[in-house]
Amino acid sequence: DARVTQTPRHKVTEMGQEVTMRCQPILGHNTVFWYRQTMMQGLELLAYFRNRAPLDDSGMPKDRFSAEMPDATLATLKIQPSEPRDSAVYFCASGFRREVNNEQFFGPGTRLTVL
Amino acid sequence: AQRVTQPEKLLSVFKGAPVELKCNYSYSGSPELFWYVQYSRQRLQLLLRHISRESIKGFTADLNKGETSFHLKKPFAQEEDSAMYYCALRGDYGGATNKLIFGTGTLLAVQP
Repeated sequence: DARVTQTPRHKVTEMGQEVTMRCQPILGHNTVFWYRQTMMQGLELLAYFRNRAPLDDSGMPKDRFSAEMPDATLATLKIQPSEPRDSAVYFCASGFRREVNNEQFFGPGTRLTVL
Repeated sequence: AQRVTQPEKLLSVFKGAPVELKCNYSYSGSPELFWYVQYSRQRLQLLLRHISRESIKGFTADLNKGETSFHLKKPFAQEEDSAMYYCALRGDYGGATNKLIFGTGTLLAVQP
């Protein structure tokens, strides 16, 4: 049963610290998405990769956030320096661009708390 | 601009009552609409998509282009339907991206 995996599942850190979240997409998927979930904003798209190339990161604060795909099996989302307002659940999702139904498969999320 | 609006943050109904979760969208072309669901302690998953015109777990949703709506309906709610529901839009049908725009979500609470 292929699933998207994310690590860590929970992260508590202090303001100003660097946070790195990792995602392993489903093998064979060629698109990867990073979302942030908050009560007020719901699910916000932060970044979107296809074939490891960033296609859209307009939803991401550029001064502190960065997203990369060093290889096809790993996507990373980094926050440096972190701030309390970054506290949220961060989801990674993967999909296959040419799949008819365009379904995205979500990971379990990383719950980030910045004190 | 592409936008998805879910006006209700919380919808509370009794078991057996009808349910309608509202979703309105803003897009000038031919959109694809989806409903995703997140049960407690589970990951977000696709519930249904408008192009399939299917019923999943008793839920249906019809795309109304005139009203730009894609409301999710179920005639008789069950306690296990309690979850967070997200409406999502893909506005580039057949195009180069499968990026989704999500609404803010509606928490459905079905009371016994």
